Amino acid sequence: AQRVTQPEKLLSVFKGAPVELKCNYSYSGSPELFWYVQYSRQRLQLLLRHISRESIKGFTADLNKGETSFHLKKPFAQEEDSAMYYCALSWGDSGYSTLTFGKGTMLLVSP
Amino acid sequence: DTGVSQDPRHKITKRGQNVTFRCDPISEHNRLYWYRQTLGQGPEFLTYFQNEAQLEKSRLLSDRFSAERPKGSFSTLEIQRTEQGDSAMYLCASSLARQVGRSPLHFGNGTRLTVT
Repeated sequence: AQRVTQPEKLLSVFKGAPVELKCNYSYSGSPELFWYVQYSRQRLQLLLRHISRESIKGFTADLNKGETSFHLKKPFAQEEDSAMYYCALSWGDSGYSTLTFGKGTMLLVSP
Repeated sequence: DTGVSQDPRHKITKRGQNVTFRCDPISEHNRLYWYRQTLGQGPEFLTYFQNEAQLEKSRLLSDRFSAERPKGSFSTLEIQRTEQGDSAMYLCASSLARQVGRSPLHFGNGTRLTVT
């Protein structure tokens, strides 16, 4: 079965520091990976997806199939990046129709 | 607000009672999803609809749970004979495309259920 692991419940950094939120997955086929974010008192929303190879709000994530990872990175954290981040996976057996989420990592950026 | 709306926002019920939640998706979205989120966990998939057809159900969706989307617009999730373990945030999401990679899921604010 497919699984997403986010090893850190909380990541606390200072403003301007680099950030890396870790995500590992288990799936034997070709998955699609996503990062969703939930800011305080807001809805869960898509941040980025690996198929787009885009940078959103300074965040990037590269799919590493060898290490089965999809870590989220930002070189210089901002206070407004403080939020709950969820890594998610869709898989071919489901027609890439549904998402399996990790447990999430809370990012706290201090001034 | 033209986003996904869920009603009610909060529901407190006694064990054994039935509850029903409603989700109104973004109007042009034909896919509608239900997820459940408990404390310290990420959202867990329950079921999804393509228009009015329920295409997939998770093993988490026990016989006490039933979801409908009668006209391919709003959806309801009913839990019969609630148990304390049903206490959770129930999230609804909608999307435009068949594959989640082509069209992101748009989530509602959720309905928080507390079973006493």
